[in-house]
Amino acid sequence: GAVVSQHPSRVICKSGTSVKIECRSLDFQATTMFWYRQFPKQSLMLMATSNEGSKATYEQGVEKDKFLINHASLTLSTLTVTSAHPEDSSFYICSAEIGRSTSTDTQYFGPGTRLTVL
Amino acid sequence: QQPVQSPQAVILREGEDAVINCSSSKALYSVHWYRQKHGEAPVFLMILLKGGEQKGHEKISASFNEKKQQSSLYLTASQLSYSGTYFCGTANNNAGNMLTFGGGTRLMVKP
Repeated sequence: GAVVSQHPSRVICKSGTSVKIECRSLDFQATTMFWYRQFPKQSLMLMATSNEGSKATYEQGVEKDKFLINHASLTLSTLTVTSAHPEDSSFYICSAEIGRSTSTDTQYFGPGTRLTVL
Repeated sequence: QQPVQSPQAVILREGEDAVINCSSSKALYSVHWYRQKHGEAPVFLMILLKGGEQKGHEKISASFNEKKQQSSLYLTASQLSYSGTYFCGTANNNAGNMLTFGGGTRLMVKP
């Protein structure tokens, strides 16, 4: 199956600092990647859709200046949480799709990044 | 709008069966099922497409009733490894691959 990696797996940072999370598709090219946020015992909430070579599309209520997304290549997307605060602490998961961006293609998820902001 | 999953939680003995439902208030084009274990990423199980298909993978199968705008996941003769939270992700059209996930169903299989 398709493999998606995320780095780092865990990060603890001080309030006010920025944190970058990388999402890589290891054995396939991903035109589209997705970034999710998940709170304990809750569902996956889509934050943004990241398209290679273009600006990300953010979901309503997600601050694009706070959650910077860059999809510089077909195998790498990054999410930078700028000026992180304790309320940004969460489990961030990326996913990548194989295919032609239709709903018949599924998403493969990375292992997630646990962010804790002190 | 988020699809509704039921039940929210279920506890089974090893070998018992379970059904998890996913209902949408909008017309569905496809339904994607995932299983997530605690602290890990969701793992893809299967996709069902518009057309009312059924699919199976070993003792886990699913159906998609587009008229009722719902999908059901069937777990037969459950194993300890089936424990986890099951999510359905739905797509309302064929334009793009954005999925909206249900609230999840926590399944615990006990020996």
